Amino acid sequence: AQTVTQSQPEMSVQEAETVTLSCTYDTSESNYYLFWYKQPPSRQMILVIRQEAYKQQNATENRFSVNFQKAAKSFSLKISDSQLGDTAMYFCALTGWSTSYGKLTFGQGTILTVHP
Amino acid sequence: DTEVTQTPKHLVMGMTNKKSLKCEQHMGHRAMYWYKQKAKKPPELMFVYSYEKLSINESVPSRFSPECPNSSLLNLHLHALQPEDSALYLCASSLDGGFQPQHFGDGTRLSIL
Repeated sequence: AQTVTQSQPEMSVQEAETVTLSCTYDTSESNYYLFWYKQPPSRQMILVIRQEAYKQQNATENRFSVNFQKAAKSFSLKISDSQLGDTAMYFCALTGWSTSYGKLTFGQGTILTVHP
Repeated sequence: DTEVTQTPKHLVMGMTNKKSLKCEQHMGHRAMYWYKQKAKKPPELMFVYSYEKLSINESVPSRFSPECPNSSLLNLHLHALQPEDSALYLCASSLDGGFQPQHFGDGTRLSIL
C-alpha cells in the first residue's frame, strides 16, 4: 500500500516571498513518480511539477522547485517569488511502477493563500 | 486553455432524474479517468478506461455508469443519485495510463436535490 501525507492543512505567505509545502510518502515500489498538483478556486487540477524517483536531481519548473529526499521519503515543494495566482489547494501525489494504470495516491492537500 | 473539456460545468438534478456528464480530449491519450471530489478533499478515483476498455472500477455504486464510446470521449451516466453524491466530478486523461501525468478537466459541479 502507498500513503502520502501532507501535514500542513493551511499555509499563508506574503506576495513575493518564498514558501515551502511539505509532503512525505511511503511506498514499497522500487521505481515511482511523485507529483505536485495545484487546484485553484477555478477547480481545474493543474500539474505543477513531476519527479522520477530514480533521478537524483531535483525537478524545477520556473518558480517551482522540489526538494526530493529519497531516503527520508520526503518531497517538498518550494514556491519562490509567490504571486496572488498561486493561491490554491496543493496536492502531493504518488504512482508506482506496479500501480495499475497510473493510479494516483493523493495527500490530503494544503491550502495556500498568498496575501498582497 | 483546458485540454480536457467537461460538460456541463454545473448540474442540478433530482434523485429520480437521469443525466450524463461528458468528457472529451483530443491529445491522443489512451487512458481516461473519472474522479469524485468533495470540498477541500483530494479526488477519489471512480473509474479508469484504458484503450477504451474499463480497467478499474473502484467499487462504485451502480447508479454511476461509465461509457467510453471512442478514444476521445468519456461519459458518466447518472441515475437515481443520492444527496451524498453531490460533489465535483473530475475527468482526466493520460498518454497510456503509466507514469505519464494526468491532465484534468475543469470538472462538473453536481448538486442532488
